[in-house]
Amino acid sequence: QVQLQQSGPGLVKPSQTLSLTCGISGDSVSSDSAAWNWIRQSPSRGLEWLGRTYYRSKFYNDYAVSVKSRIVINADTSKNQFSLQLNSVTPEDTAMYYCARDGPLGTFDYWGQGALVSVSA
Amino acid sequence: DIQMTQSPSTLSASVGDSVTITCRASQSISTWLAWYQQKPGKAPKVLIYKASILEGGVPSRFSGSGSGTEFSLTITGLQPDDFATYYCQQYKSFSKTFGQGTKVEIK
Repeated sequence: QVQLQQSGPGLVKPSQTLSLTCGISGDSVSSDSAAWNWIRQSPSRGLEWLGRTYYRSKFYNDYAVSVKSRIVINADTSKNQFSLQLNSVTPEDTAMYYCARDGPLGTFDYWGQGALVSVSA
Repeated sequence: DIQMTQSPSTLSASVGDSVTITCRASQSISTWLAWYQQKPGKAPKVLIYKASILEGGVPSRFSGSGSGTEFSLTITGLQPDDFATYYCQQYKSFSKTFGQGTKVEIK
């Protein structure tokens, strides 16, 4: 059974960097049949896919156009986890952030528990 | 990005009713469509993939249909556990997009 465990601060100041980590159990960040995603949800933006990292002989990343200039997703094979960094945050980045696995069927089949991140001074 | 539009935004129904939610894609996505159910305080849970295939363990009262740009999710015989918000999501593109959601509430 795949489990994703999120961690990170719940409050970030404007213009600073939002950082979250997603620990994986029951699968590997280096799996060649999965991708590891960050998704956020807010009342104003709904469910918004932010980006992913995946391993196919090497690691690749894809990012949403809306955040491409501000986002970095990294995989850490030694800890079997992946992380999200979102730079230069504003109050509009306030949301529930989820990590999720994109599995063999192409859907988000396993999700983290969610982390509510508020951007406020 | 491919835009996904769901209707209605809210749906009021009673236990035992049959309800249908529609989802339209801004361009053809073949059958690369999933449906999710989300309850308050929880992450979304996948119900259907490839437009019409039930995820393991999902009750047979849920069904999906459609292809191209028009899709639907039907719940036949609503149960108390089904009152939730439902989202469609396309995965034709790596930039996977969701509909805005349909809240199914008790009439």
